[in-house]
Amino acid sequence: DAKTTQPPSMDCAEGRAANLPCNHSTISGNEYVYWYRQIHSQGPQYIIHGLKNNETNEMASLIITEDRKSSTLILPHATLRDTAVYYCIVRVGTAGNKLTFGGGTRVLVKP
Amino acid sequence: GAVVSQHPSRVICKSGTSVKIECRSLDFQATTMFWYRQFPKQSLMLMATSNEGSKATYEQGVEKDKFLINHASLTLSTLTVTSAHPEDSSFYICSALGGRGDYGYTFGSGTRLTVV
Repeated sequence: DAKTTQPPSMDCAEGRAANLPCNHSTISGNEYVYWYRQIHSQGPQYIIHGLKNNETNEMASLIITEDRKSSTLILPHATLRDTAVYYCIVRVGTAGNKLTFGGGTRVLVKP
Repeated sequence: GAVVSQHPSRVICKSGTSVKIECRSLDFQATTMFWYRQFPKQSLMLMATSNEGSKATYEQGVEKDKFLINHASLTLSTLTVTSAHPEDSSFYICSALGGRGDYGYTFGSGTRLTVV
């Protein structure tokens, strides 16, 4: 699976949009971009995933660049409960493939 | 939605004893489950892949005789930490493939193991 690079930490203001970048310059054509988050002392939670089109769900939006070498996770209106470590993972989207976690971005939402 | 139940959430055991952690998929069948370990302020490290009805596949550096994995049914995988030592104290997390149509994974809530 392609390696990803994320900033180690970032702060954002409550109520504002949080934009979390991820670089995956060696991504292959059949690899998806997945985002998970881990709130302190809990298991990771799935947020969103995409292949090449932008995606949106009730939690977030995922913007993937046209060359697919980077992506941005957008939390439209950050709340204090969004404070967590966010992981960007690239993997082939077929059953059985393991998830390999990098360092992630520690996001602190401040009031 | 897909739910994975992990039990216990917290366990304290004496050095030299064994501890079993259970991971259950509650509303779907999981042919594949994964076990992770996480030390404080670090990311999740994959320990092993558990396949129903077959032997687990361990990641390099993980002792298979120390971390026994059993996946006897489509809804249950167990991790037994044998002869636990203080250095085995960690946060153990399981995840299951299935229950989602997008090849995403559902994670358990984790087990905090403290060996004293």
